[in-house]
Amino acid sequence: DAKTTQPTSMDCAEGRAANLPCNHSTISGNEYVYWYRQIHSQGPQYIIHGLKNNETNEMASLIITEDRKSSTLILPHATLRDTAVYYCIVRVGNQFYFGTGTSLTVIP
Amino acid sequence: DTGVSQDPRHKITKRGQNVTFRCDPISEHNRLYWYRQTLGQGPEFLTYFQNEAQLEKSRLLSDRFSAERPKGSFSTLEIQRTEQGDSAMYLCASSLVGTGKNIQYFGAGTRLSVL
Repeated sequence: DAKTTQPTSMDCAEGRAANLPCNHSTISGNEYVYWYRQIHSQGPQYIIHGLKNNETNEMASLIITEDRKSSTLILPHATLRDTAVYYCIVRVGNQFYFGTGTSLTVIP
Repeated sequence: DTGVSQDPRHKITKRGQNVTFRCDPISEHNRLYWYRQTLGQGPEFLTYFQNEAQLEKSRLLSDRFSAERPKGSFSTLEIQRTEQGDSAMYLCASSLVGTGKNIQYFGAGTRLSVL
């Protein structure tokens, strides 16, 4: 029932921007996109969310295309501690639909 | 530390035994969620409570599973007659309805191994 598609894995050099893409082509007009990350053996950690406007907070930026069929999470200056699985999630009603996520490895 | 605590962190049990997990949400949060996560997969929704009322249950929640939130604070998830297929990480999350954000804060999970 996952409503998002993400690449299985990505690498990023330390200090560079990490751009993580997500497709959610079946998203409806009132469904939010959330991003969480999960470091091994921990629970998922909230990063950012949005509906249709681009969003920025202290952790990341979220760019949502105008048709809302895809989005990109940007970590502006990746550090080794950003190595994790990143989940792009569509919230439908009160349920979060996680996919299998993108395993991001930050390389020194 | 998100403020959501789960106990125990690890549980090893034999097939056929009953197990119970506990979740303590962030104190002012009125919604509480349970998820299951198997290796290499994202979390899958099981059920959620608003205050003490269980409002939604996934088809994944077989009749061997029962969840309660008796006073709208902590919650328990019980699995009866455990099977090897129940081996997974069980995650709890809480959120505050009414803020418009519905940000779920997750605990560290309880890892269940059924032998």
